[in-house]
Amino acid sequence: EAQVTQNPRYLITVTGKKLTVTCSQNMNHEYMSWYRQDPGLGLRQIYYSMNVEVTDKGDVPEGYKVSRKEKRNFPLILESPSPNQTSLYFCASSPRTSGGNEQFFGPGTRLTVL
Amino acid sequence: SQKIEQNSEALNIQEGKTATLTCNYTNYSPAYLQWYRQDPGRGPVFLLLIRENEKEKRKERLKVTFDTTLKQSLFHITASQPADSATYLCALDGSGNTGKLIFGQGTTLQVKP
Repeated sequence: EAQVTQNPRYLITVTGKKLTVTCSQNMNHEYMSWYRQDPGLGLRQIYYSMNVEVTDKGDVPEGYKVSRKEKRNFPLILESPSPNQTSLYFCASSPRTSGGNEQFFGPGTRLTVL
Repeated sequence: SQKIEQNSEALNIQEGKTATLTCNYTNYSPAYLQWYRQDPGRGPVFLLLIRENEKEKRKERLKVTFDTTLKQSLFHITASQPADSATYLCALDGSGNTGKLIFGQGTTLQVKP
């Protein structure tokens, strides 16, 4: 089944403890992206990747890192999480980088930073 | 400043009626605009894409219009059903087709039987 998977789905952690949220897609998509969703603020793009080894900042990249070493994986790294990073995170992928192709979203990761 | 705005108030309509949702943007020149559906606790699901040179796009009971002069897109659901109840998000390319996608806050639609 074609899908985007994220792990973990739920995570409660403490301030400063490094964490990684994994994202994987099995559709051979070039484009992948991370978003956070907060009440009243909607979906905001954190980072995106047009292809392997190519990443770029979205609107809210501070406090996050990403890497794209393989086409299928796009992990989101929080080196030193803070409470303001408590949010619902979505990973998404798209077949190509241009032309407005539809994005396929993962199920989401609910992160709480205490 | 750049903005993309959807009506933050929930839209309540009766089953069978047409729902119309609005997406307005300021200081963007998008090459395309997309609409997604999001159910509580789930990721958004793509519905329709309309490009800047298209006035209207249809898919079954869904219709999207795109007016680059008014800087507005309208999303219509005809013959609405309770199963259409969800939050609907519009999104546009933030900077010249580079992969930067900007989402509106979404409008929640409630269809009552």
